[in-house]
Formats: sequence, C-alpha cells, structure tokens
Amino acid sequence: DARVTQTPRDKVTEMGQEVTMRCQPILGHNTVFWYRQTMMQGLELLAYFRNRAPLDDSGMPKDRFSAEMPDATLATLKIQPSEPRDSAVYFCASGLAGGPHEQFFGPGTRLTVL
Amino acid sequence: AQSVTQLGSHVSVSEGALVLLRCNYSSSVPPYLFWYVQYPNQGLQLLLKYTTGATLVKGINGFEAEFKKSETSFHLTKPSAHMSDAAEYFCAVSAIQGAQKLVFGQGTRLTINP
Repeated sequence: DARVTQTPRDKVTEMGQEVTMRCQPILGHNTVFWYRQTMMQGLELLAYFRNRAPLDDSGMPKDRFSAEMPDATLATLKIQPSEPRDSAVYFCASGLAGGPHEQFFGPGTRLTVL
Repeated sequence: AQSVTQLGSHVSVSEGALVLLRCNYSSSVPPYLFWYVQYPNQGLQLLLKYTTGATLVKGINGFEAEFKKSETSFHLTKPSAHMSDAAEYFCAVSAIQGAQKLVFGQGTRLTINP
C-alpha cells in the first residue's frame, strides 16, 4: 500500500529551537510539495520540488524556513529558529510530473512551538 | 492565476439527506479540478478529479461532482449522507498546462445530524 509518510507526527518545542520535519514520498513520484495548515490561513503551499530540484518556494519565510531533498526518497523541512506563529500542521504531498496533477498527502506533522 | 471559492464554511445535513457542497473556480486556462476530504487528524484524501472528458465525475464513497464550464463550478454531491461522511472537504484547481500546484479553497466542514 503506497503512501506518503511523515515524521514526527507530533512535535512540541520551545521558541528558538530548530525543528526538522521529514517526508518520504511515494516510491516513483518525482514531485514533492510542502503545505502548512492553520485555522486562520487554511492550506498554504510552502515549497514545491520536481526531480529533487526546488521549483517554487515563494510561500516560505526565507529567513527561517528551508526545504531540501537530499535524495529521491527524502524531503526535509527545517525551521530555525522556530517561533510560536509557526505552530501548525505541516503536510507533505507527492505526485507524478506530467500526470493530471493529483497529489497524495501524508498524515502531517503537528508542530507546537511554545 | 487560479482561485477557488467554496460557498459555506459549514454545512449541516441530516443522515440520509442530500449532500451538496459548492465550489466555484476562476482560471484563465483550462483547469483540472479536485475534491479532497480530510478526516480529523489525518491528511487529505482524494475523493474525485476532473481532468478531461465526461463532465460528471464519480468518486469514492458515493460522491460525484459535475464540471460546468459555463458556470465555472464543480459542486460535490452525494444522494444520501452517512454519519461517516462528517469531515472537511476541500475543492482545488490546477492549470492543465503549467506547474502542478494545486490552489485550494478554504474548505467546508460537513456535519451529519442523526
């Protein structure tokens, strides 16, 4: 059963600490997306990769957020330093370039910054 | 640029009643259209998608949606609501020719009354 996996599922940290979230896309998928979901803003696209190359990270606060794909099976989203306003659920999704743009979502990482 | 408007942030229906969740989109190019469902503490799951061809699309769990180009709508329906349908529903649009980014609506929370 192919699915996107994310770790950790829950993270509680203190303001100023570094947070790293990991995502394993579905094997064979070559596009990866990072989203943030909050009650106020809904679903926001933070970054988008195709074949491990970042295509769009315009939704990401550049000063503290960074996203990478060290290899085809791992995507990371890092926040340094974290702030209380970063508290949200972060979703990773993967898909196939050239297909009908369908995205498969992971279960999310719930981040709480105290 | 694309945008999505979901009419009604909350919809409540009785078990066995018709479910109608409204979605209107704006797109300067032919769109792909999607409905996703999110159950509590889970990621988004694809319900159905319109790419090309037949404008009435059937999805999982008895849901269907009709693409109406003249009305720029893609409303989601289900003839008879079940308690298990209680969730948040998101409509999304993507440009057929372009980046694979999805633009999501704000979501509609569906409540089913016994």
